[in-house]
Amino acid sequence: EAQVTQNPRYLITVTGKKLTVTCSQNMNHEYMSWYRQDPGLGLRQIYYSMNVEVTDKGDVPEGYKVSRKEKRNFPLILESPSPNQTSLYFCASSPRTGGSSDGYTFGSGTRLTVV
Amino acid sequence: GDSVTQMEGPVTLSEEAFLTINCTYTATGYPSLFWYVQYPGEGLQLLLKATKADDKGSNKGFEATYRKETTSFHLEKGSVQVSDSAVYFCALSHYSGNTPLVFGKGTRLSVIA
Repeated sequence: EAQVTQNPRYLITVTGKKLTVTCSQNMNHEYMSWYRQDPGLGLRQIYYSMNVEVTDKGDVPEGYKVSRKEKRNFPLILESPSPNQTSLYFCASSPRTGGSSDGYTFGSGTRLTVV
Repeated sequence: GDSVTQMEGPVTLSEEAFLTINCTYTATGYPSLFWYVQYPGEGLQLLLKATKADDKGSNKGFEATYRKETTSFHLEKGSVQVSDSAVYFCALSHYSGNTPLVFGKGTRLSVIA
């Protein structure tokens, strides 16, 4: 089944403790992206990647890192999480750069709470 | 920059009522337009899309027409069901370049029996 898989689904952590949210897609998509979803703010892009070893900042990159060493994986790293990073995170992928007319395939989301 | 504006929710309807969720956009050129749906506890799913002016996207009884003259892509359904309760997002994307998918803020729909 074609899908984007995120792990974990739920995570509660403490301020300053490094964490990684994994994202993997099995569709050989070139483009991958991370979004956070917050009430009243909708979805905001954190980082995106147009292909292996190519990543760039989205609208809200502060406090996050990403890497794209393989085409299928695009982990999101929080080196020192803070409470304002409490949010619902989504990974998405698309066949080509920018999504074009194909739309995105989304993961099921990771609900992160930083206390 | 590009932007998408959706009507504020929540929207509460009775089963079998007619649904319209307004969406307008600001963008250069000719973007592709999308509606995504997010059911409770799930990720976003592509509901329908339109890639050029006057195209009509449709799926699961939902429809939206790409209106370039009014820069709109309103979502409609003739008879909603309880199972349509979800958050709906309008979005746009350009064909080329590295522009991301730009989302509206979402509209929560609740359908009551």
